[in-house]
Amino acid sequence: QKEVEQNSGPLSVPEGAIASLNCTYSDRGSQSFFWYRQYSGKSPELIMSIYSNGDKEDGRFTAQLNKASQYVSLLIRDSQPSDSATYLCAVNPTNAGKSTFGDGTTLTVKP
Amino acid sequence: ETGVTQSPTHLIKTRGQQVTLRCSSQSGHNTVSWYQQALGQGPQFIFQYYREEENGRGNFPPRFSGLQFPNYSSELNVNALELDDSALYLCASSFSGVLTDTQYFGPGTRLTVL
Repeated sequence: QKEVEQNSGPLSVPEGAIASLNCTYSDRGSQSFFWYRQYSGKSPELIMSIYSNGDKEDGRFTAQLNKASQYVSLLIRDSQPSDSATYLCAVNPTNAGKSTFGDGTTLTVKP
Repeated sequence: ETGVTQSPTHLIKTRGQQVTLRCSSQSGHNTVSWYQQALGQGPQFIFQYYREEENGRGNFPPRFSGLQFPNYSSELNVNALELDDSALYLCASSFSGVLTDTQYFGPGTRLTVL
């Protein structure tokens, strides 16, 4: 079992729809959780960070964390074609900056 | 733009050679982490440098080594290159503090080993 697992995808949604991306992790001691967006051939770009249980909203993006279920998700509202990318979930243990990444979910938003 | 820079952008080497990749961290950051990302996979943690010392290492052999300089820039060295070392190498800088471990990635170096 991988330490961080994401839906393998690909995920396809129509423009304007809600895209839901999911991630589970195995280390119960994990403290910090991140979502990155990665366009083809580019490096990961930070979208959201979340540290506490519950929801965190930033514009069209909402991250949800449930530490008891070891689950973190990302919702993208009003999806746009420019949101088409691979989304990476990253989890940090108690030590700073040593992220464990999932393999990503590729999202395609169709006009 | 994150303010993290990496050089070179692309590199082609042959098996058995050695390579050095460079990274300049974002202003105000004191920690640099290196990751290897193979095609179709997520980044894999290689090691982290904090205050010029290695501060944690992933499951990579000793032929992967690094340095951090007083200005917090960093190098990744890989000896005896193997075909499987072909990947995107990512440098991420961060500021080590309480709940401030957000990392910002540079553009990466694409290494091809023939």
